[in-house]
Amino acid sequence: DAGVIQSPRHEVTEMGQEVTLRCKPISGHDYLFWYRQTMMRGLELLIYFNNNVPIDDSGMPEDRFSAKMPNASFSTLKIQPSEPRDSAVYFCASSPTWTGEDTEAFFGQGTRLTVV
Amino acid sequence: AQTVTQSQPEMSVQEAETVTLSCTYDTSESDYYLFWYKQPPSRQMILVIRQEAYKQQNATENRFSVNFQKAAKSFSLKISDSQLGDAAMYFCALKKYSGGGADGLTFGKGTHLIIQP
Repeated sequence: DAGVIQSPRHEVTEMGQEVTLRCKPISGHDYLFWYRQTMMRGLELLIYFNNNVPIDDSGMPEDRFSAKMPNASFSTLKIQPSEPRDSAVYFCASSPTWTGEDTEAFFGQGTRLTVV
Repeated sequence: AQTVTQSQPEMSVQEAETVTLSCTYDTSESDYYLFWYKQPPSRQMILVIRQEAYKQQNATENRFSVNFQKAAKSFSLKISDSQLGDAAMYFCALKKYSGGGADGLTFGKGTHLIIQP
């Protein structure tokens, strides 16, 4: 398996523009997570899905952020409008299960977003 | 709320030596998982080792082992025979055992491990 695939790897955009980050989880994984990594706040959970259904979005910073999972093999994280403080590395992770002894999150390589 | 604290922003060790990275945590849960993840310059987070809180035996994976002290809420990572490829950021993370509500990984701020050749 190719692992969790995120695109793009790098994104530079101007303030006010819409940004869409994409993620393809590992096939057969029922859980998908979006995390954000910044120097100040470290790694934070934004939202996670179980079987394509959003379970907890309490980490989404504000209404400018939205995430969707239209099917088991694709998810997007959208920021509209983007602001410089959104600059961060955004990680997608997936897991076949989220309870039990085999619990493990598999991470993608992240998208480095720079908003200028 | 769960918290994870890594008090060592940076550690340095000579190649082939042993190093221990510290992690303390706080949770009201009695059952939970603890993890150490490695983040090399490639940026991808890689699982190093996992510990279930209900297991008293410390987890080991080849050169990596943990010292899990549940009462003290401490979860340190020991790397034996350090290799140049071990150089990375190391993150300690916590997850409660069962689902319901906020249920992602709670991460510490990380420790930057430097391997001196």
